[in-house]
Amino acid sequence: DVVMTQSPLSLPVTLGQPASISCRSSRSLVNSDGDSYLHWLQQRPGQSPRRLIYRVSNRDSGVPDRFSGSGSGTDFTLKISRVEAEDVGVYYCIQGTYWPQTFGQGTKVEIK
Amino acid sequence: QLVESGGGLVQPGGSLRLSCAASGFTFSNYWMHWVRQPPGKGLVWVSLISSDGTTTSYADSVKGRFTISRDNAKNTLYLQMNSLRAEDTAMYYCARDLAGLGDVWGPGTTVIVSS
Repeated sequence: DVVMTQSPLSLPVTLGQPASISCRSSRSLVNSDGDSYLHWLQQRPGQSPRRLIYRVSNRDSGVPDRFSGSGSGTDFTLKISRVEAEDVGVYYCIQGTYWPQTFGQGTKVEIK
Repeated sequence: QLVESGGGLVQPGGSLRLSCAASGFTFSNYWMHWVRQPPGKGLVWVSLISSDGTTTSYADSVKGRFTISRDNAKNTLYLQMNSLRAEDTAMYYCARDLAGLGDVWGPGTTVIVSS
């Protein structure tokens, strides 16, 4: 199975400051069509997950533009340009290129 | 939207069938997934099914014990869970697949396996 490794696992941030989460896969996520099925999810406390970014860098509908995704191959990054209070929660990457699909361990974002 | 049901308390070795009712979109056009989250832990992918039900896939931890299915006429996704173990205790979510897992999620249903 493809192993997804996130870092850091805990990320204290100051309101209004940027934040960055890394996700590395144990093998390249580029499929035969040239697409990479790497997505980012947010799970606020007590809520269901919500997808923020799909296929590396595409924002889902309604997702604020302060969230952005980038990367290729095995290294991917989720960036929040200016953290707001509502961004507190756990962020997960997930790869869908290979079956079984696998999640990262999650990164807990909290306000300092 | 998606709404799961069917969770509950079950003894080890028992069975449960989870349902996920879909509304507001053409259910038969989408692949669907089950994802679970053990208490206090991260998300774990469980299973997927193609839009027409002909393709399925399972995590190794549930293979041979769980069966995913769907009834497109009823706009409903199912997860039949047999031979349940304590480690199957989790919140179970259904999720839609649009350009990848999870553009729409349900609120989840809780499964507790305990004697």
